[in-house]
Amino acid sequence: QAVLTQPSSLSASPGASASLTCTLRSGINVGTYRIYWYQQKPGSPPQYILRYKSDSDKQQGSGVPSRFSGSKDASANAGILLISGLQSEDEADYYCMIWHSGAWVFGGGTKLTVL
Amino acid sequence: QLQLQESGPGLVKPSETLSLTCTVSGGSISSRNYYWGWIRQPPEKGLEWIATTYYSGTSYYNPSLRSRVTISVDTSKNQFSLKLSSVTAADMAVYYCARHPIVETSPTSFYGMDVWGQGTTVAV
Repeated sequence: QAVLTQPSSLSASPGASASLTCTLRSGINVGTYRIYWYQQKPGSPPQYILRYKSDSDKQQGSGVPSRFSGSKDASANAGILLISGLQSEDEADYYCMIWHSGAWVFGGGTKLTVL
Repeated sequence: QLQLQESGPGLVKPSETLSLTCTVSGGSISSRNYYWGWIRQPPEKGLEWIATTYYSGTSYYNPSLRSRVTISVDTSKNQFSLKLSSVTAADMAVYYCARHPIVETSPTSFYGMDVWGQGTTVAV
């Protein structure tokens, strides 16, 4: 089982909100990790969106709009990237990442379609 | 504004060693505030962390690649480099270099990548 699992795809309408999940493998407690989120558009490098561990330990990436926010769902053992007020420019691949057992580990990515 | 630029051969023969360089501009690689890393992305696939280093030479490696990877820093050129030996078709990817800020309260620790280069494509 992968360390981080992301849905392969998600669709949402312009103006709506999209909740992207990053589920940690059973036995790995989401509460102890900083969850990082990256956005990648075709032909471009990943862009840092934010990191989130708790409301007192979080950071927004430079220039990233506040409509991107991070949280956790402890009951689902998952990190969440919430994008509100979806815009067409938000259509991209989104990757989560954690530092686990001495290595940076990425999720498989979610392709967000805004239509 | 900090910029990272990867460079290296676009084509490597199987079993040979891939060598890539990341040139840092707009900032010093000797800064105590940052670590520097490499990440790759095979065609149509996800991201894979390769290695991360500090100006002092302290380095961390992906266990799955550790036996084939060397990361190093050249402070005189404001560059850091990646060597990947015994390459195969599975090593074909876009290779990115990136910056990791240190954790202020624990300088031997570092956060995830916050600035990335544009990437360089490597074929085998």
